[in-house]
Amino acid sequence: DVKVTQSSRYLVKRTGEKVFLECVQDMDHENMFWYRQDPGLGLRLIYFSYDVKMKEKGDIPEGYSVSREKKERFSLILESASTNQTSMYLCASSSLVTASYNEQFFGPGTRLTVL
Amino acid sequence: EDKVVQSPLSLVVHEGDTVTLNCSYEVTNFRSLLWYKQEKKAPTFLFMLTSSGIEKKSGRLSSILDKKELFSILNITATQTGDSAVYLCAVANFGNEKLTFGTGTRLTIIP
Repeated sequence: DVKVTQSSRYLVKRTGEKVFLECVQDMDHENMFWYRQDPGLGLRLIYFSYDVKMKEKGDIPEGYSVSREKKERFSLILESASTNQTSMYLCASSSLVTASYNEQFFGPGTRLTVL
Repeated sequence: EDKVVQSPLSLVVHEGDTVTLNCSYEVTNFRSLLWYKQEKKAPTFLFMLTSSGIEKKSGRLSSILDKKELFSILNITATQTGDSAVYLCAVANFGNEKLTFGTGTRLTIIP
């Protein structure tokens, strides 16, 4: 059974703190993605990675950075958390080589609240 | 800029009704359209459509794509309370591993 896991389901941080959100997949997928999901705005892509140490900006990268040191792990970093980064964060992965090449598998999400 | 628009934004129906959810898109080099169901947590995959006119079916759910008119519909027949969820539509382009998502349709089934 394919699995994408995220380090926390709920997280509360203070403004200005550095925040790390971790995502691990066990499917040997090449691509990994970070989204945030807000009411009325849907899923918006923050960053994605198509290989170890490779990253590309998505639609809303400002205020975020990412790290991919190993194929199975993709981290999202909020360098200095702000209240407007309160959101649901979803990680996803996909394979380049299977027939369902665009299908993304999602983790359960991390609901981050910044006070 | 790629765009995906879903309608309606929300829908409330009674158990047993049939519903149709809509997804229209504008993308530069269309490859596929995907439907996901999201209950309280991770979106789960329903269908991927790449060809016009070919219906994909899974139980009471079915979906079809019209590449000429740039839309897809998701039908759910004989709805059950377990169908209550947000349904997400996403599209992918060739040469690109990203998905562009719509804002979703929130479906509520009343017993």
